[in-house]
Amino acid sequence: DAGITQSPRHKVTETGTPVTLRCHQTENHRYMYWYRQDPGHGLRLIHYSYGVKDTDKGEVSDGYSVSRSKTEDFLLTLESATSSQTSVYFCAISPTGGTYEQYFGPGTRLTVT
Amino acid sequence: AQKITQTQPGMFVQEKEAVTLDCTYDTSDPSYGLFWYKQPSSGEMIFLIYQGSYDQQNATEGRYSLNFQKARKSANLVISASQLGDSAMYFCAMREGRLGGKLIFGQGTELSVKP
Repeated sequence: DAGITQSPRHKVTETGTPVTLRCHQTENHRYMYWYRQDPGHGLRLIHYSYGVKDTDKGEVSDGYSVSRSKTEDFLLTLESATSSQTSVYFCAISPTGGTYEQYFGPGTRLTVT
Repeated sequence: AQKITQTQPGMFVQEKEAVTLDCTYDTSDPSYGLFWYKQPSSGEMIFLIYQGSYDQQNATEGRYSLNFQKARKSANLVISASQLGDSAMYFCAMREGRLGGKLIFGQGTELSVKP
């Protein structure tokens, strides 16, 4: 158990509404990541963080923003949700910047209607 | 551009037999890392094994081993003595660059173990 929780685990929301997903870790690891997983795809990186207030964009960052005000929390915000953002969202942490393994949270299933 | 390819969408294996899941990669960075993850039907991503580009020996973790052929740019996962609980999706991933450790994933291989 890598000490990662995600909330909520399931959410249904309407197009145009803002949504915030939370990732919480108890490991005090420096690096945190948000990925999305869609049918027929592996995971794709949305944003990542290499420290408090230090974040950067990933492969599919359009329509998403992130914040990290504390080491243990990494928030992913959909400012105005669209149906194309229906997906399973995974948070991951790494103690070494990914030199070795990244540990994943349980995932959040988001449906935008 | 860095890329990961898994060419087997689905595979079947008999219980207790060994199986190889293929993964090829493409990168111009001499320093990289290769990962395999398992995703059972319950949805969680489980780390299985890691291989660094400078590692001289193939990585092993219990029944999992990574057949690393650097010249061929392949990083195949070998599962020995398959068990019913091995039925799952398997993803190969590559670390992109050094800072941040961003992972690029393949599309996955669905493994089904037959009793």
